[in-house]
Amino acid sequence: NAGVTQTPKFRILKIGQSMTLQCTQDMNHNYMYWYRQDPGMGLKLIYYSVGAGITDKGEVPNGYNVSRSTTEDFPLRLELAAPSQTSVYFCASSSGGLNTEAFFGQGTRLTVV
Amino acid sequence: EDKVVQSPLSLVVHEGDTVTLNCSYEVTNFRSLLWYKQEKKAPTFLFMLTSSGIEKKSGRLSSILDKKELFSILNITATQTGDSAVYLCAVSNFGNEKLTFGTGTRLTIIP
Repeated sequence: NAGVTQTPKFRILKIGQSMTLQCTQDMNHNYMYWYRQDPGMGLKLIYYSVGAGITDKGEVPNGYNVSRSTTEDFPLRLELAAPSQTSVYFCASSSGGLNTEAFFGQGTRLTVV
Repeated sequence: EDKVVQSPLSLVVHEGDTVTLNCSYEVTNFRSLLWYKQEKKAPTFLFMLTSSGIEKKSGRLSSILDKKELFSILNITATQTGDSAVYLCAVSNFGNEKLTFGTGTRLTIIP
C-alpha cells in the first residue's frame, strides 16, 4: 500500500524560483493537508482541502498556493521562494477530518538559498 | 490563540525505564487530543482521546486525558531503543479543520 506519496524528497531552490511539491494518496481520503515543520517546532498547517475542488487556508498560507482537482492529488506551489520557506513539508490525508487518524507522507526537505 | 505545550522538551533514559510525557493545552471548543510518534520522517498516529479519564492502551504505550485540567499524558513502560523518537501532541477543535501541534518531546533511549 502506497498511502501518501510526496515528491521530491529534497530540493534546493534559489531565492525567487518557483516549484511544486507533489502529493498523492491512494486511500480515497477526502481530507488532505499541507504542513511545514521548522527545526524544533511543531507542525504548522499551510493549506487544507475537504474534497476535490475545495481548498482553504491554514495558519501559515502566505507564499503558497494549492489546488485540488482530483481526490488523489494535492500539489503545493511556491511561487517566489524565500529563505523563510526553508523547512520540511509534510502532506497528510484523512478520511474524516482532523478528528480522525491522519496519514503522513515522508516529507520534502526544502532549502532556499 | 490556541496553544499546546509539551514537556519535557527532551528526555534521555535507559532501556527498560518508564517515561511519562506531558501535554497541556488551551484551545477553544476542544474536540480531541492526538498523539503522534515521529521517528526520522513522517509522524505516525498513536492515539486519539476525546473523553476524560478513559485510558487508551497499545502495548507498552498508554495515554489518558483530563479535560478539566486541560492535560494529557503519554506513558511508555519498559522502554526500548525503538521508542526513541519525537512525540507530538496535537489538539483539534470544533468549527475549523485545524490541528494545533506542540513542539514535541524528543525521547532518547540508551541501550
